[in-house]
Amino acid sequence: EDQVTQSPEALRLQEGESSSLNCSYTVSGLRGLFWYRQDPGKGPEFLFTLYSAGEEKEKERLKATLTKKESFLHITAPKPEDSATYLCAVSRSGSWGKLQFGAGTQVVVTP
Amino acid sequence: GAGVSQSPRYKVAKRGQDVALRCDPISGHVSLFWYQQALGQGPEFLTYFQNEAQLDKSGLPSDRFFAERPEGSVSTLKIQRTQQEDSAVYLCASSRERVNTGELFFGEGSRLTVL
Repeated sequence: EDQVTQSPEALRLQEGESSSLNCSYTVSGLRGLFWYRQDPGKGPEFLFTLYSAGEEKEKERLKATLTKKESFLHITAPKPEDSATYLCAVSRSGSWGKLQFGAGTQVVVTP
Repeated sequence: GAGVSQSPRYKVAKRGQDVALRCDPISGHVSLFWYQQALGQGPEFLTYFQNEAQLDKSGLPSDRFFAERPEGSVSTLKIQRTQQEDSAVYLCASSRERVNTGELFFGEGSRLTVL
């Protein structure tokens, strides 16, 4: 059975204090791994898609990387506006529409 | 509108009532998805449409759940004889692609509370 596990569950950072979030997965025939950001009371907002091991994507202070078993979301010099829950999801080959999400990591960045 | 619109934003139902949740996707988006999100958890897949065709309904938890998208645009998720365990946020998302690139545009969700 496919599994997506995110750690830590929660992370509290000082502004400027860089850190990484982990997403470990087991899926048969990975088609893609996706990162989303979710603010309270809102729907998830797409950040990145990663397709193969070794791939990296960057957007402002965020950088996502992928290995064969896990993905990391690196937050460099975070600002308070980076506070959110970060969700990881996977899809498998042949299952076009279905994303399987992890439970998320809640990040709080204090000034 | 510019984004995915869902209504109602909040719904309180008595156990046993039927509810209908509406989703207006981004204009021209081919694919539409419904997810269920419990408090503190990630979204769980319910069903997926490509235009008016329901291609995957493997995530619907029981036959009390029914979704439709008759004209390939607006979609409705219907829950019959609601139970307390149906309380959750129901998220709708759309995508411009036929093939799921993972870039889904989500609405703000409909929060259902069953008493």
